[in-house]
Formats: sequence, structure tokens, C-alpha cells
Amino acid sequence: DQQVKQNSPSLSVQEGRISILNCDYTNSMFDYFLWYKKYPAEGPTFLISISSIKDKNEDGRFTVFLNKSAKHLSLHIVPSQPGDSAVYFCAASATSGTSYGKLTFGQGTILTVHP
Amino acid sequence: KAGVTQTPRYLIKTRGQQVTLSCSPISGHRSVSWYQQTPGQGLQFLFEYFSETQRNKGNFPGRFSGRQFSNSRSEMNVSTLELGDSALYLCASSLGDYNEQFFGPGTRLTVL
Repeated sequence: DQQVKQNSPSLSVQEGRISILNCDYTNSMFDYFLWYKKYPAEGPTFLISISSIKDKNEDGRFTVFLNKSAKHLSLHIVPSQPGDSAVYFCAASATSGTSYGKLTFGQGTILTVHP
Repeated sequence: KAGVTQTPRYLIKTRGQQVTLSCSPISGHRSVSWYQQTPGQGLQFLFEYFSETQRNKGNFPGRFSGRQFSNSRSEMNVSTLELGDSALYLCASSLGDYNEQFFGPGTRLTVL
């Protein structure tokens, strides 16, 4: 039972254009969402997060949008740069109850930004 | 500020052996979580420790265990290794409950 899904295994974008990575979740207890970027042979690097009390959060070139009714979030990267090429993971957590320290990850999307 | 460190970076073991992996969190972080990454299953939560107590555990067999020391450093142990335990083991630390987690570079375990 995959509670966090990234349905696009890969995405190819031209440098300077917008990259949009999508993520869907099924568990209505999830109320905190994060995006991570991962290069081969390295651990994931935290990019940006959003709480369910918001529908948008921005940090520089990165913006995350949350649509709670659709159980959908997206990460926008504008403008895209070749150095953004990596695997992007969406993660979710439930901040109530006893889900301490547990992030549930999607399967990842490989982003390739072409010069 | 130093990041999360994990040792060793690479390990090769044979079936039936046991292994211990180490993680040093970011200074001041008291929560340490462990994850297993495999091509088939992706990133899966193993367990979380806070103030030397395991507060949460994922769906893994009892062969997987861990502990945390008073300085927040953590170790995980896998006993009676199986071929399917070959994976990248990642440790992450955070300030406390439900904050963003910061990951180490991982330990690549290969079981032959």
C-alpha cells in the first residue's frame, strides 16, 4: 500500500524553464510534507517543506503547493538549472499521534535539466 | 555546523553475519531516524530514537535493532544477514518532533 506516490518516474526540462514535480498521498493523517533532492551515492538533501495549514510555501527558486482536498502537492522550480538534475523525493508525515520521526517517501522522480 | 555523519560508508558482509552501522547527528539534534533504501522498495522507515528511547518502529523483522547513546549518537545492528538486506542505510537527524530531517551520506551494505 503506497501512501505517497510520485507517478512520473522521470521529467526532462530545458534550462531556464519551469520544472513541475507532482506527488499524491492517500493517508488523510498526513499534515506535513517535504521535498528532498538526491544525487547518486549521497543522502537526500532537504529542499522545502509545507504544513497543511498553508497551501503555498516559497524559498528562492523553489515553491511547493498543497491541495488538501485533492491530496496533491507539487514542487515548482523556476528557473531550472542543469545543477538541479537529480532524483526528487516527496515525503509526508503525520504530526499527531505517535508517528515520531517517520517520513513516508514517494518512489522519486528523476529530473534532467538540459542546457 | 557539521552535518550528519555515518560510518562506515561501505561494507561487504556474507550471509549469516551481523553488522553494526554508526550515525552521528547534527550537534543539538536529539532525534535520529534510520531508513533503508532499495531499488524495489524505495526509502523505508526503520526506527526513530529520541533521548536514548526508541519511540517508533517500522515494519522490519526483529533482526533489525538500534540504540542511541546519551550524546545522541546512534547505532543500528542487523543480525543474521540475508541477501535481501543489501541496501543503502540512511540516518537522519532533527531538532525534535516533526521537524525537517537532515540526512547523512548513508552506508552501502552489500551481502554476499
